[in-house]
Amino acid sequence: DTGVSQDPRHKITKRGQNVTFRCDPISEHNRLYWYRQTLGQGPEFLTYFQNEAQLEKSRLLSDRFSAERPKGSFSTLEIQRTEQGDSAMYLCASSLVGTGSEQYFGPGTRLTVT
Amino acid sequence: GESVGLHLPTLSVQEGDNSIINCAYSNSASDYFIWYKQESGKGPQFIIDIRSNMDKRQGQRVTVLLNKTVKHLSLQIAATQPGDSAVYFCAENGNTGNQFYFGTGTSLTVIP
Repeated sequence: DTGVSQDPRHKITKRGQNVTFRCDPISEHNRLYWYRQTLGQGPEFLTYFQNEAQLEKSRLLSDRFSAERPKGSFSTLEIQRTEQGDSAMYLCASSLVGTGSEQYFGPGTRLTVT
Repeated sequence: GESVGLHLPTLSVQEGDNSIINCAYSNSASDYFIWYKQESGKGPQFIIDIRSNMDKRQGQRVTVLLNKTVKHLSLQIAATQPGDSAVYFCAENGNTGNQFYFGTGTSLTVIP
């Protein structure tokens, strides 16, 4: 399968714990995006990378959230000191460079904070 | 921020009928729009896109119409099938062109 993959698919954690998610984009795609989606809503943009550079971050991305893409391939999204409001589906997408390039989404990681 | 919304949150159609899903967007700077289909437990799946220099684009059984004057998009699905049942989102690329803004979504149910 050459699509976008995410790991884990599901994560249950207790409030206050740290969690880390991984995204592997389509191999030739140099842009990688993170979104958050809550039930009944469309995905909300969090941040994106072009190669290893993080170029844009949403105001939604609090200081507890950090994303990396150290070698311009896979990316990680870490949430520190999780809160119940962090419970959501975290989606990763990748695309080629260029305005108007189609984004391909992964299956998402569903986070539940208890 | 951008506001992308849908007129109807739910839509039920008979199998074989045509479906029309509407979307309003607010940012006149957006120049690229995508329709996505999302099935339960899965990530959004690309259906069709359109650039602002076009007003219509056709794919296989799907057509997207863009009316920039009133900032409106629609997705038409011909001969709707049970496999088309899903939530459909429109998305616009906003001011920077690098991030996409999604609407709330329309849930399409196809009645066999």
